[in-house]
Amino acid sequence: GIQVEQSPPDLILQEGANSTLRCNFSDSVNNLQWFHQNPWGQLINLFYIPSGTKQNGRLSATTVATERYSLLYISSSQTTDSGVYFCAVPMNRDDKIIFGKGTRLHILP
Amino acid sequence: ETGVTQTPRHLVMGMTNKKSLKCEQHLGHNAMYWYKQSAKKPLELMFVYSLEERVENNSVPSRFSPECPNSSHLFLHLHTLQPEDSALYLCASSQDAGTNEKLFFGSGTQLSVL
Repeated sequence: GIQVEQSPPDLILQEGANSTLRCNFSDSVNNLQWFHQNPWGQLINLFYIPSGTKQNGRLSATTVATERYSLLYISSSQTTDSGVYFCAVPMNRDDKIIFGKGTRLHILP
Repeated sequence: ETGVTQTPRHLVMGMTNKKSLKCEQHLGHNAMYWYKQSAKKPLELMFVYSLEERVENNSVPSRFSPECPNSSHLFLHLHTLQPEDSALYLCASSQDAGTNEKLFFGSGTQLSVL
């Protein structure tokens, strides 16, 4: 089945820094979602981005479907950005959505 | 606030207990899901319901029993669980079932089985 790999697995940054999180997938996909899980477990859907670039405030995402990767950019990090960021893609054969293992981001005040 | 509410937030139960997790969505969606999130592992899909009918049972042990009385409510009934079932259980909904749908998650129930 399709493999989803996220990097880096862990990231510690000072408040105000910028970061780039990466999601690689092993097969062609027709959509991709980015989620943020806060320290209390709540998962928030950040982007639904099958291709191209989208922006939402300090966050933006780019998916290059032909090269099988997506990037999540966080600018001017805040402590509330801490948590785990997941990407998720459909497993076409089994009609399920597969999640990566996530990038754990810790923003220091 | 995602429009998906789960209760309780935390649950501790013994292996012989019977308990239920509840999920309610206020988004008018037709599909609801249960996911399991264990430490150090990716989210695992457990069950999918579309218009109150189960459309996916991802090889989940029978000690987990889902129930979907209507399109807004989803339950997960638990009985004779094992310590390895301790995990965060997440409910999600989407407009319709399918892999091209945007998922909305609840806050989860942190379950500890003693």
